[in-house]
Amino acid sequence: ETGVTQSPTHLIKTRGQQVTLRCSSQSGHNTVSWYQQALGQGPQFIFQYYREEENGRGNFPPRFSGLQFPNYSSELNVNALELDDSALYLCASSFNTGELFFGEGSRLTVL
Amino acid sequence: AQSVTQLGSHVSVSEGALVLLRCNYSSSVPPYLFWYVQYPNQGLQLLLKYTSAATLVKGINGFEAEFKKSETSFHLTKPSAHMSDAAEYFCAVTPSGSARQLTFGSGTQLTVLP
Repeated sequence: ETGVTQSPTHLIKTRGQQVTLRCSSQSGHNTVSWYQQALGQGPQFIFQYYREEENGRGNFPPRFSGLQFPNYSSELNVNALELDDSALYLCASSFNTGELFFGEGSRLTVL
Repeated sequence: AQSVTQLGSHVSVSEGALVLLRCNYSSSVPPYLFWYVQYPNQGLQLLLKYTSAATLVKGINGFEAEFKKSETSFHLTKPSAHMSDAAEYFCAVTPSGSARQLTFGSGTQLTVLP
């Protein structure tokens, strides 16, 4: 059974650029959630996707957007990057509203 | 709305000593509560969860937590610390019936001294 995998593991961008982060959910899972973890803080909920539709959103601006594909993998897109977007981005998958299984994250640095 | 407060951003214990990490929650509806552990450069691993069954919850690696509604607390304990327990620990809350949107505390960094 394959766990949650995220790519890339690390990346560096400059202010104003756009970034796409990818997540493959665990086998058998149909729901994907994304969290942002700034340095020294707890993760913050960005949004969740269920059956390819957004199913809940945290307090993040519209420049944070996402997709879920028919195979339940997902993308997180962030436009017009700001310095404060520097963080570890965690993807978690689950079956319906069950337990979340987290990937190891994508660490984004914005210069 | 839900929130979590973790008292003590850093806790140090000696190897073999009791581990106590504090978590207090606020929730307008019956909550589900979780403890996660994060090792350096890794994601989050679930230690244990409270989902309205037994109030004393046992998790992995010898950890347990007790849900106390009257105190709105869900403290994490382990009788005897091991060097491998050194990590960051996060308490999280969500409305009961769903793990849809977790609200995390700011974390407690546990150091285990030899």
